[in-house]
Amino acid sequence: DVVMTQSPLSLPVPLGQPASISCNSSQSLLYSDGNTYLHWLQQRPGQSPRRLIYQVSNRDSGVPDRFSGSGSGTDFTLKISRVEAEDVGVYYCMQGSHWPWTFGQGTKVEIK
Amino acid sequence: EVQLLESGGGLVQPGGSLRLSCAASGFSYSNSDMSWVRQAPGKGLEWVSFISHSGITYYADSVKGRFTISRDISKNMLYLQMNSPRADDTAIYYCARGHFSAWGQGALVTVSS
Repeated sequence: DVVMTQSPLSLPVPLGQPASISCNSSQSLLYSDGNTYLHWLQQRPGQSPRRLIYQVSNRDSGVPDRFSGSGSGTDFTLKISRVEAEDVGVYYCMQGSHWPWTFGQGTKVEIK
Repeated sequence: EVQLLESGGGLVQPGGSLRLSCAASGFSYSNSDMSWVRQAPGKGLEWVSFISHSGITYYADSVKGRFTISRDISKNMLYLQMNSPRADDTAIYYCARGHFSAWGQGALVTVSS
């Protein structure tokens, strides 16, 4: 199975400051069709998860542009340019390139 | 508006059975792949099962041989038949569309005697 490793696991950030979460996969996530199925999800407290970024760097509809994704192969990053109060929650990377699909452990973002 | 609504959760005894349902609306269900994902209390997300728009299925090793995913295109419904559940299957079960572009609100399944 592809192991997804996120860091840090806890991220206290002052309001208005940037935040960055790293995700590393144990195998390349480049799929045979040329796409890389690495996605980022947000789970606010008490809510269902929500996808923010799909295929490394594409923002889902309605996602603020302060969220951005980058990376390739086995190393990926989610960045929040200026953290807002509504960004508190747990962020997961996940891969859909290899069966079984797997998630990272989650990174808890809180306001410092 | 895309909507996914799970139902059928509850308390089930170890070794019993339970069927979760997910009602889909607001998108072309017949052309969509679907998944079940679960989250144990206080834990992270775990992919459980997938069914393609054409009926191809995949399962996590932890549920293979015990759980069955299925779909009824005519009713826009997704199902997860849980047989012989164990205590470590206790979780909120979410249905999700495709590569997780939409999620339901979740259904809590508690496996306990």
